[in-house]
Amino acid sequence: EIVLTQSPDTLSLSPGQRATLSCRASQDLSIYLAWFQQKPGQPPRLLIYDASTRASGTPARFRGSGSGTDFTLTISSLEPEDVAFYFCQHRRNWPWTFGQGTKVELK
Amino acid sequence: QVQLVQSGVEVKKPGSSVKVSCKASGGTLNNFAISWVRQAPGLGLEWMGGIIPMFGTTNYAQKFQDRITFKADISTNTIYMDLNTLTSEDTAVYYCARYYYGSGTYENGVFYMDVWGRGTPVTVSS
Repeated sequence: EIVLTQSPDTLSLSPGQRATLSCRASQDLSIYLAWFQQKPGQPPRLLIYDASTRASGTPARFRGSGSGTDFTLTISSLEPEDVAFYFCQHRRNWPWTFGQGTKVELK
Repeated sequence: QVQLVQSGVEVKKPGSSVKVSCKASGGTLNNFAISWVRQAPGLGLEWMGGIIPMFGTTNYAQKFQDRITFKADISTNTIYMDLNTLTSEDTAVYYCARYYYGSGTYENGVFYMDVWGRGTPVTVSS
């Protein structure tokens, strides 16, 4: 089973600042990685797939990058509505697994 | 746009079973599969497995293999998850999520979960 490790656990930033979230895989994923946003009481929402492609409706301030074992989600200018948990998830093989999540909060 | 409508809150005793439904409304599941993902209180997301409704083909995470069953009723576009021998560790919100598995391109990628149900809370307690 592939293990995904996200860092940091919590990111505290002011509106307008850049947020950089990391996801590291225990095995080569090629580009088969997604990023999800989850707000309290809601299901996850697909933001990015294939490491860097924005899903339908994802704002342009969200950018995914990376391949292999190291991936990054960047929010170029943090908006108040971006406060949420962010999870990475691979689909390289079965079983699919998720990272433990990064909480993004406003300072 | 298809929506996944899940069944309601469940409270179960240890050792019993739970059946959660997920109905696709507003669209077809042709070329789409359904995954089940759960989230224990305050914790992360755990993929449990998936089913291709058109063929009934299933794929279970090894952790759940002995006590989980997915079924699909194509006539009603409804997918069911049965989880038995429940313990308190099964207390979680259970989500169904759709992913495209067909050939060719798709706007939200192939094998990525792009439409999710709102979740079914399951509490296991004596």
